[in-house]
Amino acid sequence: SQQGEEDPQALSIQEGENATMNCSYKTSINNLQWYRQNSGRGLVHLILIRSNEREKHSGRLRVTLDTSKKSSSLLITASRAADTASYFCATDNSGGSNYKLTFGKGTLLTVNP
Amino acid sequence: SQTIHQWPATLVQPVGSPLSLECTVEGTSNPNLYWYRQAAGRGLQLLFYSVGIGQISSEVPQNLSASRPQDRQFILSSKKLLLSDSGFYLCAWSALAGETQYFGPGTRLLVL
Repeated sequence: SQQGEEDPQALSIQEGENATMNCSYKTSINNLQWYRQNSGRGLVHLILIRSNEREKHSGRLRVTLDTSKKSSSLLITASRAADTASYFCATDNSGGSNYKLTFGKGTLLTVNP
Repeated sequence: SQTIHQWPATLVQPVGSPLSLECTVEGTSNPNLYWYRQAAGRGLQLLFYSVGIGQISSEVPQNLSASRPQDRQFILSSKKLLLSDSGFYLCAWSALAGETQYFGPGTRLLVL
């Protein structure tokens, strides 16, 4: 089964609005990561948050992690048309082989100009 | 700086033909290497990962195999392609297990 599950599956907003995406996972983790994928391209790493961190910022990105609820959220503030992409969360598994990450199915964000 | 290359970018192959996709990494040593497949509109499925030359771990039983003949070279192969092998194949590397992965541009494979 999927370790990470993003919600919603698709999100459409106007430029300038904020976008919030959520991720839930099932097992204990060492860290959680968010990636972005433009259509037909490879994934680009956005931010990594460790299990002992609760919030992290990078530019217009804000990530929160609640290990008690096994959930994370990605907030993109003041969105731009160029933010249109799919966003994936990925988790390792602190109880198993941490060589690999397990990715969710992603949230497709569309920012309308 | 580190870079990762994949080729070809697009490939159309008949059912039953062989496959060889290549991935190379520059600017780092002893990377962990990964092959993923992404179906249209879906998440990533890990196919293989490698922690060193000649060391391959397979995640799902399938028609594909992987090899790592050199430290920074990772090859995905098949002897006979199936229709179900169509998809978007991504190679990635990481310096440390469970940490940030850096992805190549991907190869779109269409099996007809």
